[in-house]
Amino acid sequence: AQKITQTQPGMFVQEKEAVTLDCTYDTSDPSYGLFWYKQPSSGEMIFLIYQGSYDQQNATEGRYSLNFQKARKSANLVISASQLGDSAMYFCAMRENTGFQKLVFGTGTRLLVSP
Amino acid sequence: DAGVTQSPTHLIKTRGQHVTLRCSPISGHKSVSWYQQVLGQGPQFIFQYYEKEERGRGNFPDRFSARQFPNYSSELNVNALLLGDSALYLCASVRGQGITYEQYFGPGTRLTVT
Repeated sequence: AQKITQTQPGMFVQEKEAVTLDCTYDTSDPSYGLFWYKQPSSGEMIFLIYQGSYDQQNATEGRYSLNFQKARKSANLVISASQLGDSAMYFCAMRENTGFQKLVFGTGTRLLVSP
Repeated sequence: DAGVTQSPTHLIKTRGQHVTLRCSPISGHKSVSWYQQVLGQGPQFIFQYYEKEERGRGNFPDRFSARQFPNYSSELNVNALLLGDSALYLCASVRGQGITYEQYFGPGTRLTVT
């Protein structure tokens, strides 16, 4: 069964610093996708970045990059130059090639950015 | 283009009652998925509908049901509400069925069962 583990309940970072949020996953399916979402206090899940299991390069989207280590089954999110607006819950999620759109989420990491 | 919309934003119901939550996907998206997010946890998959057909179902009791309409909007129905059904219910729309497509979420409906 697919599983996502986020071991950091909370992380603190100073403004303008970089921060890494950890995510490990477990699946027996060779074809899968990994996603990171940001959830502010308003509740909406905001898509940040995607990494496919067959992608050769790590995904990047602006200040977000995904450190994908397939052999270790990890997909850490790196946020560079943190901003106060980055304070939120961050969820790692995985979708296997099951034929339907089911995302399995981790328990999330709460990021607090201080001035 | 408008994003995913959900209604209502907040809802308070009593145990044993029935509730209907509504979702309109992004224009052009034919797939809608429903998730339940209990406080302090990640979202849990409930249903996915694509082209008005149920394509996947999570580990939820039969009290939960859903449907998708010809305009691709969707309803989630929950019967015989329990206190444990209190949660944020999120709807997500996807452009297609491929594994690479990202899901775009709506703002959610916060359901409180008393």
